[in-house]
Amino acid sequence: SQTIHQWPATLVQPVGSPLSLECTVEGTSNPNLYWYRQAAGRGLQLLFYSVGIGQISSEVPQNLSASRPQDRQFILSSKKLLLSDSGFYLCAWSGGGLEQPQHFGDGTRLSIL
Amino acid sequence: SQQGEEDPQALSIQEGENATMNCSYKTSINNLQWYRQNSGRGLVHLILIRSNEREKHSGRLRVTLDTSKKSSSLLITASRAADTASYFCATASGGGADGLTFGKGTHLIIQP
Repeated sequence: SQTIHQWPATLVQPVGSPLSLECTVEGTSNPNLYWYRQAAGRGLQLLFYSVGIGQISSEVPQNLSASRPQDRQFILSSKKLLLSDSGFYLCAWSGGGLEQPQHFGDGTRLSIL
Repeated sequence: SQQGEEDPQALSIQEGENATMNCSYKTSINNLQWYRQNSGRGLVHLILIRSNEREKHSGRLRVTLDTSKKSSSLLITASRAADTASYFCATASGGGADGLTFGKGTHLIIQP
């Protein structure tokens, strides 16, 4: 069966520090991969998606970047974190196609001090 | 941008009662999906209804879709304390990599 792993679960970082969040998927190949951010009490905002290795699309302008160095690995990064980068970050995968559900990791709670 | 808007934002009912949540959206869709999120966790897919379907059932879940009104409802029958969670609708419109547009969610509390 397919599983998705996301780490760390929580992270506290000072303003201006770098960031690297990792997400890996097991049990499937060539998944579509997604990074979302969820602000407190709000829905999910799609940040990045990827349909293949090295292929990254950004939905919103921001201080973050994403990379997909391997088929089932998706990394969210920042060179210098801002206070506004605080939030709950969720990674998800799908099998591709509009009728495929998305499967989410358990998220990373990022607090910027 | 967020397309789906759930209503109500919060709902508290007694165990055993039925819970109804509504979702409105703005643009044409291919399908609409409902997800559940337990506090501090990721989202779990519940059910998908295609744009040419009007009603769908899965266990204690019943989803309706009215494309003329651009709205959907999720009914949970015979609620249980374990149903306490936030529920989100998400629309698929053929955007980038089949990305979903999520609403802000309804926080459902089932009181024992």
